[in-house]
Amino acid sequence: GQNIDQPTEMTATEGAIVQINCTYQTSGFNGLFWYQQHAGEAPTFLSYNVLDGLEEKGRFSSFLSRSKGYSYLLLKELQMKDSASYLCAVMDSNYQLIWGAGTKLIIKP
Amino acid sequence: DADVTQTPRNRITKTGKRIMLECSQTKGHDRMYWYRQDPGLGLRLIYYSFDVKDINKGEISDGYSVSRQAQAKFSLSLESAIPNQTALYFCATSERRETGELFFGEGSRLTVL
Repeated sequence: GQNIDQPTEMTATEGAIVQINCTYQTSGFNGLFWYQQHAGEAPTFLSYNVLDGLEEKGRFSSFLSRSKGYSYLLLKELQMKDSASYLCAVMDSNYQLIWGAGTKLIIKP
Repeated sequence: DADVTQTPRNRITKTGKRIMLECSQTKGHDRMYWYRQDPGLGLRLIYYSFDVKDINKGEISDGYSVSRQAQAKFSLSLESAIPNQTALYFCATSERRETGELFFGEGSRLTVL
């Protein structure tokens, strides 16, 4: 079966750095996506990785290792507004998105 | 105004009632999707449509039906609602399948008593 694993909840301090991991087992691979979802709101797209390596976009970076079935989202200089759930999703060989349950990130002052 | 609009935003109904959730978009995208989100679970695909004449079942289509009335409109129906259909429902659009970037509506919270 297809499976996406990510931690249920993480806590970090304002101004610090946090890494949210995602491991996956899917039927084929056509890219890995990270979305941010604030409580009660819609998910919004953060990043897309299809090749191995690090993609940097401002305070957020996303890393992919296809051989290990592993990705992480790195958030730097954490701000209170970064408190949200972070959803990892993999596009399988049929171009269907398989979603993880999300990681709730709590930022403390 | 939001690019992807869902109505109603909240609905409480009783078991056995018919419910329709509507979605309209101004992004000009051909691809539209209906997902449900439950606590502790990932988003699950109910139905998707790649153009007006195309309807496809997703992972959890049983108990649901859809209608693509126009490029901009995609509605989800629960013919006879049951309590385990209580969830947060999202409509989404995308421009191309390869990018995977979805644009979501604000969500419709449905409670079935």
